[in-house]
Amino acid sequence: GAVVSQHPSRVICKSGTSVKIECRSLDFQATTMFWYRQFPKQSLMLMATSNEGSKATYEQGVEKDKFLINHASLTLSTLTVTSAHPEDSSFYICSARVSGTGGNSPLHFGNGTRLTVT
Amino acid sequence: DQQVKQNSPSLSVQEGRISILNCDYTNSMFDYFLWYKKYPAEGPTFLISISSIKDKNEDGRFTVFLNKSAKHLSLHIVPSQPGDSAVYFCAAHDSGGYQKVTFGTGTKLQVIP
Repeated sequence: GAVVSQHPSRVICKSGTSVKIECRSLDFQATTMFWYRQFPKQSLMLMATSNEGSKATYEQGVEKDKFLINHASLTLSTLTVTSAHPEDSSFYICSARVSGTGGNSPLHFGNGTRLTVT
Repeated sequence: DQQVKQNSPSLSVQEGRISILNCDYTNSMFDYFLWYKKYPAEGPTFLISISSIKDKNEDGRFTVFLNKSAKHLSLHIVPSQPGDSAVYFCAAHDSGGYQKVTFGTGTKLQVIP
């Protein structure tokens, strides 16, 4: 149980275009989802907290107009990288907790999306 | 400001021996700690956790120790198996808000058959 599906797993796009990444909780509901970014050989950095039915909460230094987050339902959050540039190339991972299980329940992660901007 | 630190980027251990992965944290508000395992091109998977009210939690071959005064925790894997080879992330959060999880930089464990 508690499977998180992330799509696509890999995407290559041209500079200036936008890319949408989907994160779905397949067998549970997630009021809150988290979007992380990982640079090579570095930690997972929290970008934003996605809240169903309300605005996302962005971490300091993350441009909310560049990384658009929509959490339209209890099972789907999307991250759109707008006007992508080569420096946006990275590994993006979403995660979610099962709703109602409390803050100490572990995060369940998707398999990540490798974004390459040429 | 790296609030969760894993100072060893890599570790090699012989199969059957003990693997010890270390983690230090600086934020005294953290009260819950987790270890995640990650294979290449996959998302992390939860391994084991410990609350700050405990100093040890054991689950099969995996044991996590917490030393609050030293702000240090460690993950022991015994006996180590080749399938344990992966990157291990230490993570922590506090009790406030959405319990945002802060990750360490990871330690790549290689278990040699």
